[in-house]
Amino acid sequence: EIVLTQSPATLSLSPGERATLSCRASQSVSIYLAWYQQKPGQAPRLLIYDTSNRAAGIPVRFSGSRSGTDFTLTISSLEPEDFAVYYCQMRSNRPPGLTFGGGTKVEMK
Amino acid sequence: VQLVQSGAEVKKPGASVKVSCQASGYTFMSYAIYWVRQAPGQRPEWMGRINTGSGNTEYSQKFQGRVTITRDTSASTAYMELSSLTSGDTAVYYCATVEGLFDFWGQGTLVTVSS
Repeated sequence: EIVLTQSPATLSLSPGERATLSCRASQSVSIYLAWYQQKPGQAPRLLIYDTSNRAAGIPVRFSGSRSGTDFTLTISSLEPEDFAVYYCQMRSNRPPGLTFGGGTKVEMK
Repeated sequence: VQLVQSGAEVKKPGASVKVSCQASGYTFMSYAIYWVRQAPGQRPEWMGRINTGSGNTEYSQKFQGRVTITRDTSASTAYMELSSLTSGDTAVYYCATVEGLFDFWGQGTLVTVSS
């Protein structure tokens, strides 16, 4: 079973700063890693799919990358609406299912 | 594309709950429906999925034997039933299509288990 470990748990930054969020997989995995943003009382919103592809309508300040089993979500310059919780997620067929990381909360400093 | 879920539920321990998820705006049988729950302050947790074309289901081991996912293709609706509820099942339950770019979520259904 794949485990996704996100770090840091909390990131305290100011608008305009760069945010770098990490997600480490416990074993070699496929490229089917996604990143979601979630705000209180809302469903998760897809930002990045298949490691590095932006979902429809997602601003270019959001980008995803991978190095081995380490995945990164970068927000190049934080906007006020970007302060939220971010989850990485992996979809697999063997065994079937979805695995989520523990989340990173990006809070305003 | 929309996934519209049924309303909030309050159940007693030991009871069952059935949540519906009506899809619109796309061909229902083209994409699997996943069920994910999220307890307060916790990460989302996968429960299972249904192939809306064949009706085949796959469940998380954690919920095996307690969860049943079905679908009604004539109504473009999927259902998730969870039995033997405990307070630990209090959470928001989501249905979703999670296929790369085709990623849409319902609004969530709060299920509260309390005596």
